Amino acid sequence: EPEVTQTPSHQVTQMGQEVILRCVPISNHLYFYWYRQILGQKVEFLVSFYNNEISEKSEIFDDQFSVERPDGSNFTLKIRSTKLEDSAMYFCASYGPGEQFFGPGTRLTVL
Amino acid sequence: DAKTTQPPSMDCAEGRAANLPCNHSTISGNEYVYWYRQIHSQGPQYIIHGLKNNETNEMASLIITEDRKSSTLILPHATLRDTAVYYCIVRIPLKNGTASKLTFGTGTRLQVTL
Repeated sequence: EPEVTQTPSHQVTQMGQEVILRCVPISNHLYFYWYRQILGQKVEFLVSFYNNEISEKSEIFDDQFSVERPDGSNFTLKIRSTKLEDSAMYFCASYGPGEQFFGPGTRLTVL
Repeated sequence: DAKTTQPPSMDCAEGRAANLPCNHSTISGNEYVYWYRQIHSQGPQYIIHGLKNNETNEMASLIITEDRKSSTLILPHATLRDTAVYYCIVRIPLKNGTASKLTFGTGTRLQVTL
């Protein structure tokens, strides 16, 4: 069964550093998403991406965040200058007929 | 998207049916009811969705009331591996020409016990 994959599974970084989280969506999907979940809190929408551009973003997705689909398979989330409050699980998802498929997540820890 | 209300937690004995309720009294005519679950910080997993008819797949059944103001997710024979947080989400799947986001609430924490 096809699945969304994410790398790395765990990223530890120092405050102020840039991080790039990577996702490989399911190959024939056209809509892509990033969500995050701070420990003990709800899953929150960050951004959706379609046709090589952002289709919707939340208030969380400020100028420190960017997304890119650099080639035909990868979908990345970049945080330019990480803050302590960026520590969370980050989930990538892609949309297929009737449902969104989520990856296993990347746990980002900002020290 | 319409707001949903779910009980914060439920228990179920293994092998029994788990019935998880959801209220969505402000649902509009073109909004679907979706159910996802999240097992211990893993990525959310799609379970089932429906518009107004009852639906069944290999994981669960979805019962939607005739007025569509509430629904019930049924796991017919719960196992320990079904212990998870279950989210009921109401949304229009395609909005403004694009597949819309999912808005997660706090869900129902289902604990399946021996």
